[in-house]
Amino acid sequence: GDSVTQMEGPVTLSEEAFLTINCTYTATGYPSLFWYVQYPGEGLQLLLKATKADDKGSNKGFEATYRKETTSFHLEKGSVQVSDSAVYFCALSMFSGGYNKLIFGAGTRLAVHP
Amino acid sequence: EAQVTQNPRYLITVTGKKLTVTCSQNMNHEYMSWYRQDPGLGLRQIYYSMNVEVTDKGDVPEGYKVSRKEKRNFPLILESPSPNQTSLYFCASSLSTVGSQPQHFGDGTRLSIL
Repeated sequence: GDSVTQMEGPVTLSEEAFLTINCTYTATGYPSLFWYVQYPGEGLQLLLKATKADDKGSNKGFEATYRKETTSFHLEKGSVQVSDSAVYFCALSMFSGGYNKLIFGAGTRLAVHP
Repeated sequence: EAQVTQNPRYLITVTGKKLTVTCSQNMNHEYMSWYRQDPGLGLRQIYYSMNVEVTDKGDVPEGYKVSRKEKRNFPLILESPSPNQTSLYFCASSLSTVGSQPQHFGDGTRLSIL
């Protein structure tokens, strides 16, 4: 079935370091892809999305490119800040059972230190 | 302010004592959903609703009930809670079930069943 695999965390970085969080997916069709972020004590917020191959989603300095050939949607940021410490979820939306179902990866915790 | 509101935020209760977690959205969204979040498993869908009076099971519906009598409200009911339902629960809504539509999440309800 459809699934999302993320790199395990936690990822620990110093401020201003480069961030990559890997995400790959398995899907029978052409899903939309999302990154959600969960700050401590809060719900998930949409960070960025891409709806077709080669689309690049971007927001708040984060970027991810929909790579159909490698079935990947890796999250990157050039210079992380302490305020980026959170849990990041990769997700896909796929038509299944009559509606578009959202399937999440396990989440990757990011800790950024000054 | 557009939001999804869950109550309560925290609850500790005992096995077998019926409880209800309320969820309300003010965005006139058609689609609503409940998830549970467990370490290492990401978010798993419990139930979803595509519109008023239309609900269906997600991936982990056992032990839960829902209802959708009004568009804005989607309560989650645990008729006879058990310890394996101890988890962090999220309600979410979106404008429609089109794949590119992001979901908006509440801040979560942490349930502990003793």
